[in-house]
Amino acid sequence: NAGVTQTPKFQVLKTGQSMTLQCAQDMNHNSMYWYRQDPGMGLRLIYYSASEGTTDKGEVPNGYNVSRLNKREFSLRLESAAPSQTSVYFCASIGHSRLMIETQYFGPGTRLLVL
Amino acid sequence: AQSVTQLDSHVSVSEGTPVLLRCNYSSSYSPSLFWYVQHPNKGLQLLLKYTSAATLVKGINGFEAEFKKSETSFHLTKPSAHMSDAAEYFCVVSDLGSYIPTFGRGTSLIVHP
Repeated sequence: NAGVTQTPKFQVLKTGQSMTLQCAQDMNHNSMYWYRQDPGMGLRLIYYSASEGTTDKGEVPNGYNVSRLNKREFSLRLESAAPSQTSVYFCASIGHSRLMIETQYFGPGTRLLVL
Repeated sequence: AQSVTQLDSHVSVSEGTPVLLRCNYSSSYSPSLFWYVQHPNKGLQLLLKYTSAATLVKGINGFEAEFKKSETSFHLTKPSAHMSDAAEYFCVVSDLGSYIPTFGRGTSLIVHP
């Protein structure tokens, strides 16, 4: 089991460029998440997908789009990167059930620098 | 609605002394509570979780936490700090039926030799 994987690990962009961050999980989880982490701000939810075929905005969705390609994959797209999007991005997943709350598993992160 | 407050942004201890990281929560239902650890330049790793079984929960690396409903707290403790414990720690609350866990702002644990 690889768990949650993210690509790329590092990326440098110029203002206005676009890119897609990829995330995949092999745990058959229903829900997937994208967070950004900035110093002193903790983790902030960008978008989430409660199940395949659905996506919803989180706390800080502006400037981002997402695609839940299938149950395994959840991508995050920056259409026109801005310096304010310099951050570390984490993908996560949870397998929900009605009986208990499952553990959230995280990928290793993508460090993005926008110049 | 659910929320979580980590009462200290930084905690500094000497190696070999006890660790206490404080977390208070608010929840509409019976919550599940989690502690995650993040070492520098790494992802988040689960330390331990409470899901309405025993109120004293033991985790990895000698950490434990006690769920106190009357105090709405879920403090993380360790009897003796090790240099390798230096990291960022996040307390997380999640209500059954909620798809969105709520994260605290994090507590940075500093361990001095």
